[in-house]
Amino acid sequence: AQSVTQPDIHITVSEGASLELRCNYSYGATPYLFWYVQSPGQGLQLLLKYFSGDTLVQGIKGFEAEFKRSQSSFNLRKPSVHWSDAAEYFCAVGPSGGYNKLIFGAGTRLAVHP
Amino acid sequence: NAGVTQTPKFRILKIGQSMTLQCTQDMNHNYMYWYRQDPGMGLKLIYYSVGAGITDKGEVPNGYNVSRSTTEDFPLRLELAAPSQTSVYFCASSSPGHDYEQYFGPGTRLTVT
Repeated sequence: AQSVTQPDIHITVSEGASLELRCNYSYGATPYLFWYVQSPGQGLQLLLKYFSGDTLVQGIKGFEAEFKRSQSSFNLRKPSVHWSDAAEYFCAVGPSGGYNKLIFGAGTRLAVHP
Repeated sequence: NAGVTQTPKFRILKIGQSMTLQCTQDMNHNYMYWYRQDPGMGLKLIYYSVGAGITDKGEVPNGYNVSRSTTEDFPLRLELAAPSQTSVYFCASSSPGHDYEQYFGPGTRLTVT
């Protein structure tokens, strides 16, 4: 069955520290992978996506993610976190059953200490 | 481009009442989706549509109905609201050939008491 697991429900980091958010997926073929961010009171915004080619993907706001097929992972990283990065982050995989449907993980809520 | 817009932003319903959540997109996307977001559960697909007049159930359709009379609009109807429908609802849209990316609206926070 297709699924996405984000093992960390909450993460707290200090401003300026590095960040890694974990995402593991189960998918029968080569997946399309996404990271979305949801700032408080806002909708979801796409940070980055992977579908082929270079396994290290650069996104907006200084984020990157690395696709590791052998580990079924797509972890999100940022070298230096800013207070404005406090948000909820969702990993997603697709397509699932056609029509661009995606499966989302449960999310990781990031808090940033000054 | 406004993208995907949703109204209202917030709503409180009494048990048994009904309401319609509105969703409009101006990107001429064929595909549209309704999700609900509950704490620790991520996003669950309620219904989706692949074009005007074509809708289908997602993972959690019970208690909801949808229609799609135009490409732009995809309203979600709650009949006989229940406390279990307290959630944040997101509408999204997508287009074939765009690498499966979905574009999201700002959400509607619904409380049923």
